[in-house]
Amino acid sequence: EAGVAQSPRYKIIEKRQSVAFWCNPISGHATLYWYQQILGQGPKLLIQFQNNGVVDDSQLPKDRFSAERLKGVDSTLKIQPAKLEDSAVYLCASSFGLGAYEQYFGPGTRLTVT
Amino acid sequence: DQQVKQNSPSLSVQEGRISILNCDYTNSMFDYFLWYKKYPAEGPTFLISISSIKDKNEDGRFTVFLNKSAKHLSLHIVPSQPGDSAVYFCAASSNQFYFGTGTSLTVIP
Repeated sequence: EAGVAQSPRYKIIEKRQSVAFWCNPISGHATLYWYQQILGQGPKLLIQFQNNGVVDDSQLPKDRFSAERLKGVDSTLKIQPAKLEDSAVYLCASSFGLGAYEQYFGPGTRLTVT
Repeated sequence: DQQVKQNSPSLSVQEGRISILNCDYTNSMFDYFLWYKKYPAEGPTFLISISSIKDKNEDGRFTVFLNKSAKHLSLHIVPSQPGDSAVYFCAASSNQFYFGTGTSLTVIP
């Protein structure tokens, strides 16, 4: 079974530029999550989708971050414009459904904003 | 507001001995708890979970204990192996998942 795929693996941009990350979840997983993990911290949930609908985006900085999950499969996370404090690893995860299901994580995208 | 806390940033254990990783939480509404293991440059990998209706769950060398009255979760690894060296995150869920800051485990051969 293929795991969660993410691209790119690494990205370096200057502040005020824009960037997009892509995630392909495990086939059949209805729930998709985007997390931000700053160095030395645990992953922090940014947004959670159930199929193509948003379940929770309370911690997404909506003035600069956006995410979509077209057709309930792949998802993209965009930052526009980026700030220095956005430097982090962005993790995508998927699970079979909402609630008591373990999440499967992709390898992450390491973003450096200079 | 850190709802899930791992107060030990690092832990070193001799191979063959027991590793005990601890986690505390503040929200009594959490009903599902998980442990993840993370190697460098990889995403976290699910290890073991426990529902709030249980106080123990075992899977091979890994056992998770839940003490709801103390709002405390622990992961026991017996016996510890060098390949267990990684960062371990605990997570808790009600309708959203919250992660601790991680404990770096080193198993010394």
